Amino acid sequence: GEDVEQSLFLSVREGDSSVINCTYTDSSSTYLYWYKQEPGAGLQLLTYIFSNMDMKQDQRLTVLLNKKDKHLSLRIADTQTGDSAIYFCAEFLYNQGGKLIFGQGTELSVKP
Amino acid sequence: DAGVIQSPRHEVTEMGQEVTLRCKPISGHDYLFWYRQTMMRGLELLIYFNNNVPIDDSGMPEDRFSAKMPNASFSTLKIQPSEPRDSAVYFCASSWGSRQGNQPQHFGDGTRLSIL
Repeated sequence: GEDVEQSLFLSVREGDSSVINCTYTDSSSTYLYWYKQEPGAGLQLLTYIFSNMDMKQDQRLTVLLNKKDKHLSLRIADTQTGDSAIYFCAEFLYNQGGKLIFGQGTELSVKP
Repeated sequence: DAGVIQSPRHEVTEMGQEVTLRCKPISGHDYLFWYRQTMMRGLELLIYFNNNVPIDDSGMPEDRFSAKMPNASFSTLKIQPSEPRDSAVYFCASSWGSRQGNQPQHFGDGTRLSIL
């Protein structure tokens, strides 16, 4: 069945780069998403990548996709304290009516 | 541009009471999703609609849960009777043309539900 796995916690110092990793199982995924959730708020879309791409860059965010290994990563350059949040990766299942399957979320803690 | 609007933001009620959560999707979006988030189970998809019709309700926990979408701008999730284990944050999300995957889901701020 479909499954999305993420590590639960990541702690970095302000100014460093953060790398959040995600693995997924369904090879029919067409799009893969990264969402950010701040305390008390809903999920905010950060970026997404189509499955035929290897990399996508958007300002401080870089998404890398290794389709062979079903591995997705989100790199945040020059991490700021405002980046502290929970980050979710999600895969879009085209052959299952368009559901999103979410990982458990990675809690990023940025220390000054 | 208004986002997805959920109400109430917080609800505290006693076990056995009926609870109704409300959602107004983004205008023009034809897909609407209800999720539940807990520490133990993470983010779970409960049900989703396309053009006001329920497509997949396999995530609805049991018959105590029901969802409706009477028109394109309004949906409700009802729990009757409520139980303490229903305590969670319930999110509504909407999107356009979700079958292609290139139209991301936009989430509301959620309803934090506590059943005493």
